[in-house]
Amino acid sequence: DTAVSQTPKYLVTQMGNDKSIKCEQNLGHDTMYWYKQDSKKFLKIMFSYNNKELIINETVPNRFSPKSPDKAHLNLHINSLELGDSAVYFCASSQLAGGTEAFFGQGTRLTVV
Amino acid sequence: QQQVKQSPQSLIVQKGGISIINCAYENTAFDYFPWYQQFPGKGPALLIAIRPDVSEKKEGRFTISFNKSAKQFSLHIMDSQPGDSATYFCAASMEGGKLIFGQGTELSVKP
Repeated sequence: DTAVSQTPKYLVTQMGNDKSIKCEQNLGHDTMYWYKQDSKKFLKIMFSYNNKELIINETVPNRFSPKSPDKAHLNLHINSLELGDSAVYFCASSQLAGGTEAFFGQGTRLTVV
Repeated sequence: QQQVKQSPQSLIVQKGGISIINCAYENTAFDYFPWYQQFPGKGPALLIAIRPDVSEKKEGRFTISFNKSAKQFSLHIMDSQPGDSATYFCAASMEGGKLIFGQGTELSVKP
């Protein structure tokens, strides 16, 4: 039973399109995150939600909008996709906001052409 | 001040050897230091973690050494195996905060 699952695993789209990535966790965790991994494998946090409330919003373009309908789900919507948005996006969850193990999904490889 | 610096960028070790990856941080408010292992096409997975009140933690072949005064910590992989070939990330966080990752180390263990 997958702990943190995200869909789709691969996403190829044209510049200017709008796309969404979905994430669900079945661990009963209170906190969920979106991380971006660039082509050099550098991992950087984008957003963090705790009990459906946004608690971390890094300097991410406002074309990226996270939505948490409940504490088990955190979706990422991206408007007007640009070439530079190509990356692997990871959803993660943890019991507490920081200081405890974060469980990562398998990632969504987004390619903008 | 929020950075975590990791070295080396890549590491090649013979089977049975010791792999050592080093990290350094600046922010003394960090209170949780995990190491993550990532295989190609997979998400990072927690390998081992330490808090700053402990100088060393060992789990099987994996050991974290932590030097609070130097603001450095390292991962030692004893008896390295080809199956350990992966990318390793150190990270740091504080209560209520985010994980700040190092740049990653690609480890290759040769048979």
